[in-house]
Amino acid sequence: IVLTQSPATLSLSPGDRATLSCRAGQSVDNSLSWYQHKPGQVPRLIIFDASRRATGVPARFSGRGSGTDFTLIIDGLEPEDFAVYYCHQRSNWPRALTFGGGTKVEI
Amino acid sequence: EVNLVESGGGLIQPGGSLRLSCAVSGFRATNHYKAWVRQAPGKGLEWIAVVYVGDITYYADSVRGRFTISRDESENTVYLQMNSLRGEDTAIYYCTNVYHDYVFDYWGQGTLVTVSS
Repeated sequence: IVLTQSPATLSLSPGDRATLSCRAGQSVDNSLSWYQHKPGQVPRLIIFDASRRATGVPARFSGRGSGTDFTLIIDGLEPEDFAVYYCHQRSNWPRALTFGGGTKVEI
Repeated sequence: EVNLVESGGGLIQPGGSLRLSCAVSGFRATNHYKAWVRQAPGKGLEWIAVVYVGDITYYADSVRGRFTISRDESENTVYLQMNSLRGEDTAIYYCTNVYHDYVFDYWGQGTLVTVSS
């Protein structure tokens, strides 16, 4: 299953709302997660099962969607939120765990 | 505390082999699923292999037939045997814990593999 993320780059200011899109080539139910990746750091799980926040993730991060269309929203960007975000899904047949191409959220 | 530490990366010639290790602490390697994810220079994240309980394994098309994921219960370690390496395999390789069948909740710091002559 191909995951297509848009836009490739999002240029915003601190305090803005970021809306990131991830579209799957076929339904993945709600088996979709989001990761934040900053240069030189380890990727960090943000959202799983489409809308569940990982432990320690601030409430300004939220995920929504099911089937083929998913959205990550960051409500009120903080300076530490500027990073690349990847969506990721599981397909059952054949079993594969695919990442999208990423969206860079830049200042 | 959950901790994953990769080792075994380095410079290797095309066609060569390398084995990466991931030392797991904080939980039993065999009681949880584990995966390897890589990031090539200037590229995004790419899942490459996963091992489930019962040693059921799956691979990305890009590495199937060349890479093998395995784990050692006695050493609480996960391995990635990489054969027939190519330039496009150059990347940082991350070991991850897999929660809920597909979620990468814990990550190691990564180990760099460079395939070049």
